[in-house]
Amino acid sequence: EDQVTQSPEALRLQEGESSSLNCSYTVSGLRGLFWYRQDPGKGPEFLFTLYSAGEEKEKERLKATLTKKESFLHITAPKPEDSATYLCAVQPNNAGNMLTFGGGTRLMVKP
Amino acid sequence: DGGITQSPKYLFRKEGQNVTLSCEQNLNHDAMYWYRQDPGQGLRLIYYSQIVNDFQKGDIAEGYSVSREKKESFPLTVTSAQKNPTAFYLCASSVQGAYEQYFGPGTRLTVT
Repeated sequence: EDQVTQSPEALRLQEGESSSLNCSYTVSGLRGLFWYRQDPGKGPEFLFTLYSAGEEKEKERLKATLTKKESFLHITAPKPEDSATYLCAVQPNNAGNMLTFGGGTRLMVKP
Repeated sequence: DGGITQSPKYLFRKEGQNVTLSCEQNLNHDAMYWYRQDPGQGLRLIYYSQIVNDFQKGDIAEGYSVSREKKESFPLTVTSAQKNPTAFYLCASSVQGAYEQYFGPGTRLTVT
């Protein structure tokens, strides 16, 4: 069974304090891994897609990386506006377009 | 502006009533999805449709029904058979293949 586990469940950072969020996955074959940002009461906003181990994507203070077992979302010098829940999802090879989501990491950045 | 719209944003119903949530997209996407999100949990797939007039059950389809009569529209009905309907419902769409799904703003349903 495909599984996605995100850690930690919650993370409190001071503004400027860099850190990483983890997404561990178990799939029979990975077609793609997706990162989303979700603000309270809103729909998830797409951030990145990663397809193969070693791939990296960057956007402003965020950088996503992928290995064969996990993905990291690195946040460099975060600002309070980076506070949100970050969701990771995998698309297995044999699942058509469907995604399996992790439980998310709730990030809080204090000024 | 291209995007996905869901209405209403908040919905209140009495137990035993069916309710239909609207989802419309103008992204020209073939595939559409319905997810349920409960506090502290990830998204769980209810139904999905890869093409007009065709749809498949997701992981938690019991107590829900859908239709896909137009490419742009994928309404979800929460029936009285759904034992725990209070939740945040999200609609998404995508092109076919290993591509990202784009989400609507969500509908928060409260059943009392």
